[in-house]
Amino acid sequence: AQKITQTQPGMFVQEKEAVTLDCTYDTSDQSYGLFWYKQPSSGEMIFLIYQGSYDEQNATEGRYSLNFQKARKSANLVISASQLGDSAMYFCAMVDMDTGRRALTFGSGTRLQVQP
Amino acid sequence: DGGITQSPKYLFRKEGQNVTLSCEQNLNHDAMYWYRQDPGQGLRLIYYSQIVNDFQKGDIAEGYSVSREKKESFPLTVTSAQKNPTAFYLCASSTSLNTEAFFGQGTRLTVV
Repeated sequence: AQKITQTQPGMFVQEKEAVTLDCTYDTSDQSYGLFWYKQPSSGEMIFLIYQGSYDEQNATEGRYSLNFQKARKSANLVISASQLGDSAMYFCAMVDMDTGRRALTFGSGTRLQVQP
Repeated sequence: DGGITQSPKYLFRKEGQNVTLSCEQNLNHDAMYWYRQDPGQGLRLIYYSQIVNDFQKGDIAEGYSVSREKKESFPLTVTSAQKNPTAFYLCASSTSLNTEAFFGQGTRLTVV
């Protein structure tokens, strides 16, 4: 069974600094996908970035990058040049591609607060 | 614009009543999902569907039912058997390759 662990319930970062949100995962599948989502107080889930298990390069999307370390089973999100609007809950998720159940499994989330 | 539409945004239900939450997508995605989120928690999978006319139970399916008669639509019914239905419900859809997954705005259900 797949499992996502986010060990940081809350994080603080100064505006314009970089921050890393941790995510580790567990799966027996060889083929899987990793996602990060942002959830502001309004409740919507905003897709940030995706990394496939066979992708050799780390995914990047603007100020977001995913530090993918396959051997360690970690998929940390790096946000560069933090902005006040980055304050939100962040969820790591994964989907197994090999097994019959192809649905996203989520971690418990990290609340990020950006301070001016 | 392509996207996922959930309705209503807020829903109040009396105890013992069934209610249906709507989820429609025009992204031409094959897969659709329903998640439940309780305050301060992550998302838990209720039901998912990979293709039309087929769906699977997730981790917390008891007290819920779904249908997938059309590719665009995946309604969720919260039945009276669901003992604690007050929560935030999120619908999502993804491509068959699961390389992207998008969510609707959510429905906040409250039992009164």
